[in-house]
Amino acid sequence: DVKVTQSSRYLVKRTGEKVFLECVQDMDHENMFWYRQDPGLGLRLIYFSYDVKMKEKGDIPEGYSVSREKKERFSLILESASTNQTSMYLCASSSGLITDTQYFGPGTRLTVL
Amino acid sequence: AQSVSQHNHHVILSEAASLELGCNYSYGGTVNLFWYVQYPGQHLQLLLKYFSGDPLVKGIKGFEAEFIKSKFSFNLRKPSVQWSDTAEYFCAVNYNTDKLIFGTGTRLQVFP
Repeated sequence: DVKVTQSSRYLVKRTGEKVFLECVQDMDHENMFWYRQDPGLGLRLIYFSYDVKMKEKGDIPEGYSVSREKKERFSLILESASTNQTSMYLCASSSGLITDTQYFGPGTRLTVL
Repeated sequence: AQSVSQHNHHVILSEAASLELGCNYSYGGTVNLFWYVQYPGQHLQLLLKYFSGDPLVKGIKGFEAEFIKSKFSFNLRKPSVQWSDTAEYFCAVNYNTDKLIFGTGTRLQVFP
């Protein structure tokens, strides 16, 4: 069974802190994605990676960076958290075929105080 | 710009009512279309997808969607909803790339 896991379900951080969100998939997928989900805005792509050490900016990359050192793991980094980064963060993975399903993790609800 | 529109933001139905959720995309090239669902407290999961062939696609739990190329639409339907269909529904499209563009979602509430 397909599985995407995220390191935390809930996270509370202070403004200015560096925040790491971790995502692991067990399907040997090529592609991994980070989205944020906000009410009324749907899902917006932050970054994605189509291979180890490769990354591409999505639609809202400002204030974020990513790291993919191993195929199964994709990290999202908030260099200096701000209150407008309070959101639900979803990780997903897919095989690399453009018709393939993206499989999502349970999400991390991040609150920045 | 490439985009996806879901015009119904919040839909409230009684059980056994029929459902149709609208989805329109903005570009006339090759597209692959998806509907995802997020039940309360659960992961986002695929309901159905279309990439070629029969434009009427059947998915899980009795849902179906029809791709109408001339209308740039991929509306989701279910003839008779159940309380357990209460969820948020997202239409998504990729324009022949790995990147999915999501609509803003439709929150469906079904009352017994």
